[in-house]
Amino acid sequence: NAGVTQTPKFRILKIGQSMTLQCAQDMNHNYMYWYRQDPGMGLKLIYYSVGAGITDKGEVPNGYNVSRSTTEDFPLRLELAAPSQTSVYFCASSYTDFTSTDTQYFGPGTRLTVL
Amino acid sequence: AQKITQTQPGMFVQEKEAVTLDCTYDTSDQSYGLFWYKQPSSGEMIFLIYQGSYDEQNATEGRYSLNFQKARKSANLVISASQLGDSAMYFCAMREGLYRDDKIIFGKGTRLHILP
Repeated sequence: NAGVTQTPKFRILKIGQSMTLQCAQDMNHNYMYWYRQDPGMGLKLIYYSVGAGITDKGEVPNGYNVSRSTTEDFPLRLELAAPSQTSVYFCASSYTDFTSTDTQYFGPGTRLTVL
Repeated sequence: AQKITQTQPGMFVQEKEAVTLDCTYDTSDQSYGLFWYKQPSSGEMIFLIYQGSYDEQNATEGRYSLNFQKARKSANLVISASQLGDSAMYFCAMREGLYRDDKIIFGKGTRLHILP
């Protein structure tokens, strides 16, 4: 299993540009998440999905959009990039069988700089 | 108020010594889960250990153990016999409630440096 994969690893955008961060998992996990990590800070949840076709906002959703058309893929879209979106973005996935153990597996991250 | 507090922004520990990373949490829920993640300099997040609020025994995974003190709302990570490869950022996290769509909240992290 490749686990959780993210592309690209690095990206530099100009203000106002758009881009999509790709995330895929091959573990048949139903839950997927997008986090951002600002320098010296913990992770903050942007969006999450409990299954194909279902998404919901996290703590910091403004400026982002997501879709979940398949179980495997959970892309994150930035429509009008702003310097405040300079961060490292992590995708994660987990499987629920309605027990309280819910380990999230993380991708390697995408480092985004908006200039 | 912060939900997860990690008071040690950085720590230096001699190789082979045990190290304790502090984490306190704030919740009014009876059901919750506590996690520790490791983030090496390469950036990926690695799950280390999990403790459920109803688990009576402290969780252990190899050299990692979680010192769970429910009354104090404390979930410290203990790494025994530290190794150079343990140098990394460590995050404590909490999920409130039993439902899967509850969010995991992360602390700000502790940067651990293992000295040879």
